[in-house]
Amino acid sequence: QKEVEQDPGPLSVPEGAIVSLNCTYSNSAFQYFMWYRQYSRKGPELLMYTYSSGNKEDGRFTAQVDKSSKYISLFIRDSQPSDSATYLCAMSYDTGRRALTFGSGTRLQVQP
Amino acid sequence: EAQVTQNPRYLITVTGKKLTVTCSQNMNHEYMSWYRQDPGLGLRQIYYSMNVEVTDKGDVPEGYKVSRKEKRNFPLILESPSPNQTSLYFCASSLRDNEQFFGPGTRLTVL
Repeated sequence: QKEVEQDPGPLSVPEGAIVSLNCTYSNSAFQYFMWYRQYSRKGPELLMYTYSSGNKEDGRFTAQVDKSSKYISLFIRDSQPSDSATYLCAMSYDTGRRALTFGSGTRLQVQP
Repeated sequence: EAQVTQNPRYLITVTGKKLTVTCSQNMNHEYMSWYRQDPGLGLRQIYYSMNVEVTDKGDVPEGYKVSRKEKRNFPLILESPSPNQTSLYFCASSLRDNEQFFGPGTRLTVL
């Protein structure tokens, strides 16, 4: 079983829809949670960064962390065709290595 | 513009021919790291560096070397590349905690 599970999709939604992307994890030591967006042939781009449980909002994006359920979510409001990309969740715990454990990514397609 | 740069972006080589992939960041980050991305396996850490002259192994270090002689540069060295090192490679840097910024990637093919 992988430490971080993420539905690979693809997820296809119409423009303007609310998108919900999720990851589950098994290691309760994870404390730092991130969402990255990766366009085709590009490097991962950091979207959201949260520490421990709770919500964080940035424009159309909201990240939620529920450590008790080992479950994190990314919500995208008013989705746009430019949001079409692969979304990677990543997490880590407090060691010097700062190694990120990634989900396999969910491919999102927003249809105009 | 704050960024992480990598060169080359694409490379095709043959088994056993030494190569170096360069990575440079202009954000004065102390921490730098290399990952490889493979289908179905996601991104995995190869090596990391907490500061100049301080490097250590990640999850998949076999067949790779790194050096950190300057704060801004963190080259990845494959002394004798093999076909199983065909992959997409990313360099990342970080100022604090675990918030990491990634470069554009280097697609390596070893024949």
